[in-house]
Amino acid sequence: NAGVTQTPKFRVLKTGQSMTLLCAQDMNHEYMYWYRQDPGMGLRLIHYSVGEGTTAKGEVPDGYNVSRLKKQNFLLGLESAAPSQTSVYFCASRDQSWVYNEQFFGPGTRLTVL
Amino acid sequence: DAKTTQPNSMESNEEEPVHLPCNHSTISGTDYIHWYRQLPSQGPEYVIHGLTSNVNNRMASLAIAEDRKSSTLILHRATLRDAAVYYCILREISSDSSYKLIFGSGTRLLVRP
Repeated sequence: NAGVTQTPKFRVLKTGQSMTLLCAQDMNHEYMYWYRQDPGMGLRLIHYSVGEGTTAKGEVPDGYNVSRLKKQNFLLGLESAAPSQTSVYFCASRDQSWVYNEQFFGPGTRLTVL
Repeated sequence: DAKTTQPNSMESNEEEPVHLPCNHSTISGTDYIHWYRQLPSQGPEYVIHGLTSNVNNRMASLAIAEDRKSSTLILHRATLRDAAVYYCILREISSDSSYKLIFGSGTRLLVRP
């Protein structure tokens, strides 16, 4: 199993450009999450999904949109990138069962907005 | 959101035990205590979690105070690979039956050879 994968690994954008980050998981998990991590700080939750076709806002949702059209994929979109969105983005997933509490994280996408 | 307080950094010698403290004085009765760690240039990985009783797994032990206002992550024999940022997190249940992990800034553990 590949676990949680993220595409791309690195990206440089100019202010105002748009892009989509892809997160894929092969563990049949119901819940998926997008976080951002700024230098020297912990992760902050952007959006999350509790199942296919559902999305919800996290701590810092402004400037981002998400979609969960397929259970295994969770997309994060930036419609008009700003320098403040320069960060490392992590995706995570977890099983819906309360027996398993672990979130599995992807390797991250490093985004720079000039 | 309930908050946790951790030291910014700690140092340890290789093959010695490490005790990483965490204060969570505003914890509620249903909050689980989770620990994750983040190795350099990687995503976080789960370490351990608990509610009231002390917990052990292959990676670490979690000691929870009787009043639950503090906890300690114990690495029994630190290795160089354990050098990471360790996050103590209170897991809160959301109205949609999901739960969110609210990360603080964590403790950076340095392991000396």
